[in-house]
Amino acid sequence: ETGVTQSPTHLIKTRGQQVTLRCSSQSGHNTVSWYQQALGQGPQFIFQYYREEENGRGNFPPRFSGLQFPNYSSELNVNALELDDSALYLCASGRGTYNSPLHFGNGTRLTVT
Amino acid sequence: QQQVKQSPQSLIVQKGGISIINCAYENTAFDYFPWYQQFPGKGPALLIAIRPDVSEKKEGRFTISFNKSAKQFSLHIMDSQPGDSATYFCAANPSSNTGKLIFGQGTTLQVKP
Repeated sequence: ETGVTQSPTHLIKTRGQQVTLRCSSQSGHNTVSWYQQALGQGPQFIFQYYREEENGRGNFPPRFSGLQFPNYSSELNVNALELDDSALYLCASGRGTYNSPLHFGNGTRLTVT
Repeated sequence: QQQVKQSPQSLIVQKGGISIINCAYENTAFDYFPWYQQFPGKGPALLIAIRPDVSEKKEGRFTISFNKSAKQFSLHIMDSQPGDSATYFCAANPSSNTGKLIFGQGTTLQVKP
């Protein structure tokens, strides 16, 4: 069983640029959730995708957007990058939206300079 | 009302000892409480989870104790080992969707040989 994989592992961008992060869900999983983890903090929920539609969003501005594809892979897009966007971005997949534990990838470390 | 408060921030335990991490929440609508373990450079990995209809759940050396009336839950790690040294996060869901989690701030555990 293949776990959740994310790419790239590390990324450096300049303030104002745009970035796309990618995630491949665990086999058999049909939901994907994205989290932002600042250094020394717990992960914060960005949004969830289920059946290719956004299914809930945390307290993040619209410049954070996403996609889920028919093969359940996913993208996180962030426009107009700010210095505070520097963080570890975690993708997690699950089997349905209820009573299904989240399985996390190892994340993408984004640095905005 | 949406917060999960975790303590202590850091913990040092001798090998073979018991590690105890506590969490408190305010929202009575939470109905799923997982604990995650995170090693440096890795994503969080699910350790154990509980629902509020039970007061205790044990899996190997890991036990969750749940006090619904006090809105508190805790993780006990019995016979702590150096390999348990990691950051531990409690979490809760703000809806009946286990993909949307609110995490505590994390506890860094060091188990000394």
